[in-house]
Amino acid sequence: QKEVEQNSGPLSVPEGAIASLNCTYSDRGSQSFFWYRQYSGKSPELIMSIYSNGDKEDGRFTAQLNKASQYVSLLIRDSQPSDSATYLCAVNSIAGGTSYGKLTFGQGTILTVHP
Amino acid sequence: DADVTQTPRNRITKTGKRIMLECSQTKGHDRMYWYRQDPGLGLRLIYYSFDVKDINKGEISDGYSVSRQAQAKFSLSLESAIPNQTALYFCATSAGDRGDYGYTFGSGTRLTVV
Repeated sequence: QKEVEQNSGPLSVPEGAIASLNCTYSDRGSQSFFWYRQYSGKSPELIMSIYSNGDKEDGRFTAQLNKASQYVSLLIRDSQPSDSATYLCAVNSIAGGTSYGKLTFGQGTILTVHP
Repeated sequence: DADVTQTPRNRITKTGKRIMLECSQTKGHDRMYWYRQDPGLGLRLIYYSFDVKDINKGEISDGYSVSRQAQAKFSLSLESAIPNQTALYFCATSAGDRGDYGYTFGSGTRLTVV
C-alpha cells in the first residue's frame, strides 16, 4: 500500500464548477498536510497547508482534513481554465517518532477545467 | 533572483558518465532535499540534509550521492549515470522540523541519460 494515495485522474470539470480532489494516507502519526499545484514542466507550488481536523479556506480553495479517516481533500470553487494542472498531496513523514520535515507525495491528480 | 536555484536546467549525458546537479538557496533554511519526479510516480525522496553535518538517505538513494558544501548549497551526484535515471529532479528547502511551512522548490533539472 502506498503511503499517500491520490486518484491520478484526469479529473475534468466545466468552468465555474467545484473541483474535488482527494487524498488518503497510511501513517496515523502524520501531522502536516499540504496541497501543491504543478503546471506542466514547472516546479510544484504550495497552495494550501492544513494541520488540524476540519476545513481551512483560502480564497477559492478549501482544504479538508479528517485524521480519523486518514483523509485530506482539496475543493476548488468556481474552477477556471487556469486551474488546469496536476495537484499533489503531501504528508509529513514520521520516522522513529521524528518527522525530520520529510514530505511524502502522492502521485498527483491531473485536473482539467474546460470552458 | 529565485529563492532556490538549480543548475543546470537541462542536461543530456551518456551512460556511465558522472554528473552533478547543483542547488543553492537564499531562504536561510537549514533543511534541504532532493527529489526525482517520474510520470505517474509522483515525487520520490533521494536524499535530505538538516545541516552541513547531517545527511540522510531517502527512499531511492541507490546510484546517487550528495554533498552539503554549506548551509545554502546541496549538490546531487550520479556517479555512473544509467538510462533509468532519466527524470526531472527537484531540490527543495523547508524551515520547519515538521515540514510545517511546506517546501520551496527549485525550478528543476531535466536530466536525460542516453
